Amino acid sequence: GAGVSQSPSNKVTEKGKDVELRCDPISGHTALYWYRQSLGQGLEFLIYFQGNSAPDKSGLPSDRFSAERTGGSVSTLTIQRTQQEDSAVYLCASSSTGGWQPQHFGDGTRLSIL
Amino acid sequence: GENVEQHPSTLSVQEGDSAVIKCTYSDSASNYFPWYKQELGKRPQLIIDIRSNVGEKKDQRIAVTLNKTAKHFSLHITETQPEDSAVYFCAASGGSSNTGKLIFGQGTTLQVKP
Repeated sequence: GAGVSQSPSNKVTEKGKDVELRCDPISGHTALYWYRQSLGQGLEFLIYFQGNSAPDKSGLPSDRFSAERTGGSVSTLTIQRTQQEDSAVYLCASSSTGGWQPQHFGDGTRLSIL
Repeated sequence: GENVEQHPSTLSVQEGDSAVIKCTYSDSASNYFPWYKQELGKRPQLIIDIRSNVGEKKDQRIAVTLNKTAKHFSLHITETQPEDSAVYFCAASGGSSNTGKLIFGQGTTLQVKP
């Protein structure tokens, strides 16, 4: 497809379980971002990937959160030992080269922790 | 770190009136300022952006102004229509690393009454 694709669209899991969220950026985009949007709130930066450079992990809220980007394309955000406060919509965005290039968002994964 | 404040949090206007949303940012090195529109349950959509080398940009009924000295920027929507009803987010990015990671305001819920 032409846009940013995220899966699953919804995820419900029990507290303490691990979850994996997937993002497939726009083809050819080298920059990939993860954001989190809690209910009724703004978007919070989590992590940034650019090509083969070391990722900017400055927004990850705890060491339970990690992400990787294999082959410079698809990215996976992993949350270990989920807590109720992890419930949110996790949004992925990509841009052609990073910097001040426009970021295009996917539809997000709505994560609910019971 | 960078902080973005957005006002008002809610805005109600009559169809045909203008709407103005204001944001201030803290990092004087910020150089890219996008605005996103998010309808309920949908992805954020980029509607307009401005770079720090210009003071104003227009696209049909939407305009953005930037005052770098005062570190604030504003979104102006003229001749509002019911379909403009949504949550609007401002954001800022830049700084010495210029990764493009966006720091978002808390959002403005715009209601356009027919």
